Amino acid sequence: DQQVKQNSPSLSVQEGRISILNCDYTNSMFDYFLWYKKYPAEGPTFLISISSIKDKNEDGRFTVFLNKSAKHLSLHIVPSQPGDSAVYFCAASWGPRGRSGAGSYQLTFGKGTKLSVIP
Amino acid sequence: EPEVTQTPSHQVTQMGQEVILRCVPISNHLYFYWYRQILGQKVEFLVSFYNNEISEKSEIFDDQFSVERPDGSNFTLKIRSTKLEDSAMYFCASQTGGNEQYFGPGTRLTVT
Repeated sequence: DQQVKQNSPSLSVQEGRISILNCDYTNSMFDYFLWYKKYPAEGPTFLISISSIKDKNEDGRFTVFLNKSAKHLSLHIVPSQPGDSAVYFCAASWGPRGRSGAGSYQLTFGKGTKLSVIP
Repeated sequence: EPEVTQTPSHQVTQMGQEVILRCVPISNHLYFYWYRQILGQKVEFLVSFYNNEISEKSEIFDDQFSVERPDGSNFTLKIRSTKLEDSAMYFCASQTGGNEQYFGPGTRLTVT
C-alpha cells in the first residue's frame, strides 16, 4: 500500500546546481506534507513542510512545491552543497485522527531518495 | 535547541525476551509517536499517544507492544516477547500540534 511514492531511489547532482526530488501521493485525505533528511544511523531531521492550502513554501535554499491536482510535490535545493548528501524522505499526514478524532497526525513516508552532491 | 533523545542507541536481545526502549520527547510537546524502519524499508508508523492514552495504532502494533508515559518526561515502548522480525531501528517522535514531528536518533534493536 504505497500511499506516498518516491520513484527515484537515487540522484546525483553537481555542487552548485539545482537538486529536484519528487514525490507522489495517492490519498486525497493528506493535507500536510513534509520533507525529512536522514543521515545513516541518525533519525530523520525535519527540513521543510507545506500545507495543502499552499502551493509553494520557501526556506533559504529549500523550496517545496505542491501540485494538488497532480498529487505531486517536489523539493528544490538551490544551490546544492556536498553537505546536502543524504537520504531525503517525503512524508504526508492528515488529522487530527484516532480516538476521539483528536490525538494523531501519523506520518506516511515514502521510501526515500538518496541524494549525492558531487564537489 | 530542544531535541528528542532516545536510549539505548543499540539493544541486542534474544528472541522471546522483553525489551523497553526509552525516549524523552521535547518538553512542551503534546503528541508522541513511535515509528520503526526495518533495514532497507520505509519508515513505518507504530503508535501515537496523546492525553495519556493511545490515540492511534497500526496493524504492526499488536498485543506484544505497549507504550507508557510513566512520568512527565519519559515515553517508553515495550516489546514483551521479541521476535526476529522485530529487528529494526525504532524512532520516537514528538509534536506540538498538526505540524512537523521531531524525531530522536533512534534505537537499533537486534533480536538474535
